[in-house]
Amino acid sequence: DAGVIQSPRHEVTEMGQEVTLRCKPISGHDYLFWYRQTMMRGLELLIYFNNNVPIDDSGMPEDRFSAKMPNASFSTLKIQPSEPRDSAVYFCASSTPAGQGINEQFFGPGTRLTVL
Amino acid sequence: KQEVTQIPAALSVPEGENLVLNCSFTDSAIYNLQWFRQDPGKGLTSLLLIQSSQREQTSGRLNASLDKSSGRSTLYIAASQPGDSATYLCAAGWDYKLSFGAGTTVTVRA
Repeated sequence: DAGVIQSPRHEVTEMGQEVTLRCKPISGHDYLFWYRQTMMRGLELLIYFNNNVPIDDSGMPEDRFSAKMPNASFSTLKIQPSEPRDSAVYFCASSTPAGQGINEQFFGPGTRLTVL
Repeated sequence: KQEVTQIPAALSVPEGENLVLNCSFTDSAIYNLQWFRQDPGKGLTSLLLIQSSQREQTSGRLNASLDKSSGRSTLYIAASQPGDSATYLCAAGWDYKLSFGAGTTVTVRA
Protein backbone atom coordinates (compact mmCIF):
# COMPACT_ATOMS: atom_id res chain seq x y z
CA ASP A 1 0.00 0.00 0.00
CA ALA A 2 1.22 3.50 -0.80
CA GLY A 3 0.26 4.84 2.61
CA VAL A 4 -1.67 8.03 3.20
CA ILE A 5 -1.25 10.41 0.27
CA GLN A 6 -1.52 14.17 0.56
CA SER A 7 -1.35 16.90 -2.02
CA PRO A 8 0.04 19.38 -2.57
CA ARG A 9 3.17 18.93 -0.45
CA HIS A 10 3.79 22.66 -0.38
CA GLU A 11 1.40 25.53 -0.93
CA VAL A 12 2.20 29.22 -0.93
CA THR A 13 -0.70 31.60 -1.31
CA GLU A 14 -1.70 35.13 -0.56
CA MET A 15 -4.00 36.24 2.20
CA GLY A 16 -7.63 36.05 1.16
CA GLN A 17 -7.19 33.23 -1.33
CA GLU A 18 -8.94 29.89 -1.10
CA VAL A 19 -6.78 26.90 -0.27
CA THR A 20 -7.74 23.26 -0.77
CA LEU A 21 -5.73 20.42 0.72
CA ARG A 22 -6.30 16.85 -0.38
CA CYS A 23 -5.93 13.47 1.23
CA LYS A 24 -6.25 9.86 0.16
CA PRO A 25 -6.38 7.49 3.13
CA ILE A 26 -5.08 3.94 3.21
CA SER A 27 -7.52 1.62 1.50
CA GLY A 28 -9.83 -0.08 3.99
CA HIS A 29 -9.32 2.47 6.75
CA ASP A 30 -12.64 3.68 8.12
CA TYR A 31 -11.30 6.64 10.08
CA LEU A 32 -9.73 9.77 8.63
CA PHE A 33 -8.22 12.59 10.67
CA TRP A 34 -7.04 16.10 9.81
CA TYR A 35 -4.37 17.68 12.04
CA ARG A 36 -2.51 20.96 12.07
CA GLN A 37 1.04 21.34 13.42
CA THR A 38 2.62 24.64 14.45
CA MET A 39 5.58 25.48 16.62
CA MET A 40 3.39 27.34 19.07
CA ARG A 41 0.54 24.85 19.48
CA GLY A 42 2.05 21.53 18.42
CA LEU A 43 -0.22 18.95 16.79
CA GLU A 44 -3.92 19.68 17.00
CA LEU A 45 -6.80 17.56 15.77
CA LEU A 46 -9.09 19.59 13.53
CA ILE A 47 -11.75 17.07 12.48
CA TYR A 48 -12.24 13.37 11.99
CA PHE A 49 -14.50 11.21 9.87
CA ASN A 50 -15.83 7.70 10.27
CA ASN A 51 -17.13 5.97 7.14
CA ASN A 52 -17.08 9.32 5.32
CA VAL A 53 -19.23 11.04 7.97
CA PRO A 54 -17.79 13.93 10.03
CA ILE A 55 -17.91 12.88 13.67
CA ASP A 56 -16.13 15.62 15.59
CA ASP A 57 -15.20 19.00 14.16
CA SER A 58 -14.68 20.73 17.49
CA GLY A 59 -11.06 21.41 16.60
CA MET A 60 -11.84 23.41 13.48
CA PRO A 61 -10.66 26.88 14.39
CA GLU A 62 -13.18 29.01 12.50
CA ASP A 63 -15.91 28.94 9.93
CA ARG A 64 -13.26 29.68 7.35
CA PHE A 65 -12.26 26.03 7.66
CA SER A 66 -14.34 23.25 6.16
CA ALA A 67 -13.71 19.58 5.42
CA LYS A 68 -15.46 17.01 3.28
CA MET A 69 -15.15 13.34 2.55
CA PRO A 70 -17.23 12.54 -0.54
CA ASN A 71 -16.08 8.93 -0.65
CA ALA A 72 -13.91 6.44 1.18
CA SER A 73 -10.79 7.31 -0.77
CA PHE A 74 -10.78 11.09 -0.78
CA SER A 75 -11.05 14.01 1.62
CA THR A 76 -10.47 17.74 1.36
CA LEU A 77 -9.72 20.48 3.85
CA LYS A 78 -10.58 23.93 2.59
CA ILE A 79 -9.66 27.33 3.99
CA GLN A 80 -11.56 30.30 2.62
CA PRO A 81 -10.41 33.02 2.95
CA SER A 82 -6.90 32.14 4.10
CA GLU A 83 -4.98 34.26 6.60
CA PRO A 84 -1.27 34.39 7.54
CA ARG A 85 -2.03 32.72 10.90
CA ASP A 86 -3.20 29.65 9.01
CA SER A 87 0.40 28.97 8.00
CA ALA A 88 1.24 25.52 9.35
CA VAL A 89 1.80 21.94 8.32
CA TYR A 90 -1.48 20.09 7.79
CA PHE A 91 -1.47 16.32 8.22
CA CYS A 92 -3.99 13.71 7.26
CA ALA A 93 -4.06 10.34 9.02
CA SER A 94 -6.14 7.20 8.76
CA SER A 95 -6.92 4.21 10.94
CA THR A 96 -9.16 1.22 11.50
CA PRO A 97 -11.50 0.49 14.44
CA ALA A 98 -10.26 -1.55 17.39
CA GLY A 99 -12.19 -3.36 20.10
CA GLN A 100 -12.07 -0.10 21.99
CA GLY A 101 -11.30 3.08 20.12
CA ILE A 102 -9.08 2.81 17.09
CA ASN A 103 -5.92 1.08 16.00
CA GLU A 104 -2.64 2.61 14.96
CA GLN A 105 -2.92 5.90 13.10
CA PHE A 106 -0.86 6.28 9.95
CA PHE A 107 0.08 9.77 8.85
CA GLY A 108 0.61 11.27 5.45
CA PRO A 109 3.68 13.40 4.63
CA GLY A 110 1.79 16.64 5.28
CA THR A 111 1.12 19.83 3.35
CA ARG A 112 3.22 22.82 4.33
CA LEU A 113 1.00 25.88 3.90
CA THR A 114 2.38 29.39 3.81
CA VAL A 115 -0.05 32.29 3.62
CA LEU A 116 1.62 35.60 2.76
CA LYS B 1 -9.00 18.42 30.33
CA GLN B 2 -7.09 15.57 28.73
CA GLU B 3 -3.47 16.60 28.38
CA VAL B 4 -0.23 14.89 27.46
CA THR B 5 3.15 16.05 28.72
CA GLN B 6 6.61 15.05 27.60
CA ILE B 7 9.66 15.94 29.65
CA PRO B 8 12.39 16.78 28.82
CA ALA B 9 11.83 18.78 25.65
CA ALA B 10 15.31 17.87 24.40
CA LEU B 11 17.87 15.20 25.15
CA SER B 12 21.44 14.61 23.95
CA VAL B 13 23.24 11.32 24.50
CA PRO B 14 26.39 9.63 23.19
CA GLU B 15 26.02 6.78 20.75
CA GLY B 16 25.42 3.45 22.41
CA GLU B 17 23.64 4.81 25.45
CA ASN B 18 20.11 3.65 26.17
CA LEU B 19 17.39 6.26 25.71
CA VAL B 20 14.50 6.71 28.12
CA LEU B 21 11.68 9.00 26.98
CA ASN B 22 8.84 9.90 29.31
CA CYS B 23 5.20 10.69 28.67
CA SER B 24 2.47 11.52 31.17
CA PHE B 25 -1.26 11.96 30.67
CA THR B 26 -3.95 13.44 32.87
CA ASP B 27 -6.86 11.04 32.39
CA SER B 28 -6.17 7.36 33.04
CA ALA B 29 -9.26 6.26 31.08
CA ILE B 30 -7.31 6.09 27.84
CA TYR B 31 -8.11 3.63 25.07
CA ASN B 32 -4.53 3.41 23.83
CA LEU B 33 -1.20 5.19 23.64
CA GLN B 34 0.91 5.60 20.54
CA TRP B 35 4.53 6.64 20.07
CA PHE B 36 5.66 8.39 16.90
CA ARG B 37 8.92 9.55 15.42
CA GLN B 38 9.18 12.76 13.39
CA ASP B 39 12.24 13.76 11.40
CA PRO B 40 12.74 17.46 10.57
CA GLY B 41 10.35 18.61 7.87
CA LYS B 42 8.76 15.17 7.62
CA GLY B 43 5.58 13.44 8.66
CA LEU B 44 4.99 11.20 11.64
CA THR B 45 6.07 7.57 11.62
CA SER B 46 4.26 5.25 13.99
CA LEU B 47 6.63 3.33 16.26
CA LEU B 48 4.47 1.47 18.75
CA LEU B 49 0.84 1.29 19.81
CA ILE B 50 -0.14 0.06 23.26
CA GLN B 51 -3.79 -0.76 23.84
CA SER B 52 -5.24 0.02 27.29
CA SER B 53 -5.32 -3.68 28.19
CA GLN B 54 -1.59 -4.05 27.56
CA ARG B 55 1.35 -3.07 29.71
CA GLU B 56 4.06 -2.96 27.06
CA GLN B 57 4.95 -3.40 23.42
CA THR B 58 8.29 -4.21 21.82
CA SER B 59 9.69 -3.75 18.34
CA GLY B 60 13.37 -4.39 17.76
CA ARG B 61 15.37 -2.00 19.95
CA LEU B 62 12.21 -0.20 21.03
CA ASN B 63 10.13 -1.01 24.07
CA ALA B 64 7.20 1.02 25.34
CA SER B 65 5.48 0.56 28.68
CA LEU B 66 2.13 1.80 29.87
CA ASP B 67 1.01 2.40 33.46
CA LYS B 68 -2.53 3.71 33.36
CA SER B 69 -2.90 4.06 37.11
CA SER B 70 -0.01 6.50 37.31
CA GLY B 71 -0.76 8.12 33.95
CA ARG B 72 2.63 7.34 32.47
CA SER B 73 4.26 5.73 29.47
CA THR B 74 7.95 5.26 28.81
CA LEU B 75 9.71 4.61 25.52
CA TYR B 76 13.04 2.81 25.79
CA ILE B 77 15.47 2.75 22.88
CA ALA B 78 18.35 0.37 23.42
CA ALA B 79 21.88 1.04 22.20
CA SER B 80 21.11 4.37 20.57
CA GLN B 81 22.53 5.25 17.14
CA PRO B 82 22.97 8.59 15.35
CA GLY B 83 20.08 7.54 13.09
CA ASP B 84 17.80 7.62 16.13
CA SER B 85 18.12 11.40 16.24
CA ALA B 86 14.61 12.78 15.77
CA THR B 87 11.65 14.15 17.69
CA TYR B 88 9.61 11.52 19.51
CA LEU B 89 5.94 12.23 20.10
CA CYS B 90 3.63 10.51 22.52
CA ALA B 91 -0.12 10.51 21.85
CA ALA B 92 -2.84 9.31 24.21
CA GLY B 93 -6.10 8.07 22.75
CA TRP B 94 -9.34 8.97 24.45
CA ASP B 95 -12.44 7.85 22.62
CA TYR B 96 -11.44 7.92 18.94
CA LYS B 97 -9.07 10.86 19.16
CA LEU B 98 -5.40 11.28 19.91
CA SER B 99 -3.98 14.08 22.04
CA PHE B 100 -0.30 14.73 21.43
CA GLY B 101 2.50 15.79 23.68
CA ALA B 102 4.93 18.46 22.49
CA GLY B 103 7.62 15.87 21.86
CA THR B 104 11.17 15.17 23.00
CA THR B 105 13.90 16.05 20.51
CA VAL B 106 16.70 13.50 20.72
CA THR B 107 20.25 13.97 19.49
CA VAL B 108 22.55 10.95 19.48
CA ARG B 109 26.19 12.05 19.25
CA ALA B 110 28.56 9.86 17.25
